[in-house]
Amino acid sequence: QSVVTQPPSASGTPGQRVTISCSGSSSNIGTNYVFWYQQLPGTAPKLLIYRNNLRPSGVPDRLSGSKSGTSASLAISGLRSEDEADYYCAAWDDSLSAVVFGGGTKLTVL
Amino acid sequence: EVQLVESGGGLVTPGGSLRLSCAASGFTFSDVWMNWVRQAPGKGLEWVGRIKNKGGGGTTDYAAPVKDRFTISREDSRNTLYLQMNSLKTDDTAIYYCTTNDAFDFWGRGTMVTVSS
Repeated sequence: QSVVTQPPSASGTPGQRVTISCSGSSSNIGTNYVFWYQQLPGTAPKLLIYRNNLRPSGVPDRLSGSKSGTSASLAISGLRSEDEADYYCAAWDDSLSAVVFGGGTKLTVL
Repeated sequence: EVQLVESGGGLVTPGGSLRLSCAASGFTFSDVWMNWVRQAPGKGLEWVGRIKNKGGGGTTDYAAPVKDRFTISREDSRNTLYLQMNSLKTDDTAIYYCTTNDAFDFWGRGTMVTVSS
């Protein structure tokens, strides 16, 4: 069972806005930066959001991250078929002295 | 262009050892912290551990499941990261990825480790 919790699945239709949540505690999300990754089938993960809400170059601005208290969210607007993938959040945990990943959310584009 | 290429994976029996390597190019390897992250078949991502750069003290941190069994090291002169895995268990079966910095901004393609009798 993950220290950081994500819904196992999410879905939306093309063009819709979808939000994926990531719930933690004061020792991880509440105190440290949150990062988001996308993993397409059969490939390595890719960084989407760093330091809660910043996008690396090349990541479209229809993806955005936010954090409030001990929770964080990834929002994808203008949903596209190529967004169908697994999404993971991560943060450093001060109590564990370790990086903790959420269990992952499988996004389906209907 | 940043490139990370893992190697050294394979089939090993429980209790055995294996050493993984990650060859880096396209950036100043000695400047960055490096991590190992693994993914068991059909499961999510799991952080294995990290090694800081020399400026950060070159210290290591490990996830609880691998502490005292796995050792991360680096050879800056060869731009190479290592993961020495001892006392391997079936639960260690996974794809092992090397990644850069605290943001995991670049990833290799991974190398598969299978622990089975």
